[in-house]
Amino acid sequence: GQQLNQSPQSMFIQEGEDVSMNCTSSSIFNTWLWYKQDPGEGPVLLIALYKAGELTSNGRLTAQFGITRKDSFLNISASIPSDVGIYFCAGLLKTSYDKVIFGPGTSLSVIP
Amino acid sequence: NAGVTQTPKFQVLKTGQSMTLQCAQDMNHNSMYWYRQDPGMGLRLIYYSASEGTTDKGEVPNGYNVSRLNKREFSLRLESAAPSQTSVYFCASRFFLAGGDEQFFGPGTRLTVL
Repeated sequence: GQQLNQSPQSMFIQEGEDVSMNCTSSSIFNTWLWYKQDPGEGPVLLIALYKAGELTSNGRLTAQFGITRKDSFLNISASIPSDVGIYFCAGLLKTSYDKVIFGPGTSLSVIP
Repeated sequence: NAGVTQTPKFQVLKTGQSMTLQCAQDMNHNSMYWYRQDPGMGLRLIYYSASEGTTDKGEVPNGYNVSRLNKREFSLRLESAAPSQTSVYFCASRFFLAGGDEQFFGPGTRLTVL
């Protein structure tokens, strides 16, 4: 089936550092979504992307829809301790309007 | 405005037992989803419903059935539970209009099958 890959699998960074993570697939996507999940809770939608090349920000978070439509990137600037959590990318395939599938996640730890 | 609610929050079943996980949303969203999340893994889509009266298989539908009872409610049924179905189950609803996504997840149901 369709599969999303995320890298890195986990990250340990110092508070104040910038963070970059990405999501790739062999399939073409129409929409990319980025979520954050805190322990014991459901994911929360952070950013949604709809067009190839689109760059969207939400506070210190910036995400981009890859030109090939097969990848997406998330950057977090000036990390703070509350950024700790698991970040998931998800996407809607070109062939599906509603089927949202998730990547395996990137676990972020921030060292104060 | 409660968002997405799920019941129960926790459940322990014996192998072979059946149960239904309930999900309801009060945001008038068209699309609803059921995912399972296993330790160290992302969310895997079990079933989804694009609108009232329609349901479609996701990535891992075997062993599950769903019902979109009305626009608010989307239930997930395990007819004969197996230990491999031990997981955290999340329900979500989604609304998309003119380049904007609104999506919310419920708090999850933690299911253990012995």
